[in-house]
Amino acid sequence: GQSLEQPSEVTAVEGAIVQINCTYQTSGFYGLSWYQQHDGGAPTFLSYNALDGLEETGRFSSFLSRSDSYGYLLLQELQMKDSASYFCAVRRRGFQKLVFGTGTRLLVSP
Amino acid sequence: EPEVTQTPSHQVTQMGQEVILRCVPISNHLYFYWYRQILGQKVEFLVSFYNNEISEKSEIFDDQFSVERPDGSNFTLKIRSTKLEDSAMYFCASSEGTDQPQHFGDGTRLSIL
Repeated sequence: GQSLEQPSEVTAVEGAIVQINCTYQTSGFYGLSWYQQHDGGAPTFLSYNALDGLEETGRFSSFLSRSDSYGYLLLQELQMKDSASYFCAVRRRGFQKLVFGTGTRLLVSP
Repeated sequence: EPEVTQTPSHQVTQMGQEVILRCVPISNHLYFYWYRQILGQKVEFLVSFYNNEISEKSEIFDDQFSVERPDGSNFTLKIRSTKLEDSAMYFCASSEGTDQPQHFGDGTRLSIL
């Protein structure tokens, strides 16, 4: 089977930098995606890594180390609107489905 | 920006009844998906659909569930004989290809009474 582990909650202040980690166990790993979900809202795609290294998209960056089965999402210059849940999700080779982690709730305070 | 649209936003149904959840994927996307999220839990995959047939399904997607693309724009999820445990948020998603990001709709909140 597959499993993903994320911290359940992270807190930070406006303007800070926060890192949300994700470790996974799966056979046939193909890629790691990150989604943001506000309460009652839809998961919104943030970033995707298929190869090792850092992908940068504005204030958000995502990192992957396939040898360590580990990735993280880095959020810079935090804003209040970044308060949400963040999910990592893996895709396996030959499969289309995303398998989501349990999510990390980010609370940004003034 | 193109988006996935879902209707209704909220559906309340008596246990045992059938429901149909509707989705309009992004127009140039070829792959369609249904996921569900029970309150407070993670998002779970139900089924993927490509070229007018199911390409992948989860253990959750049993004979109670079916999907259909009745025309060139709509994609539906039918749940027969609903049970209390079917209460959840149901998300439709679509992607251009299997290597492209999956974009989610705002979901249908299904409440079974």
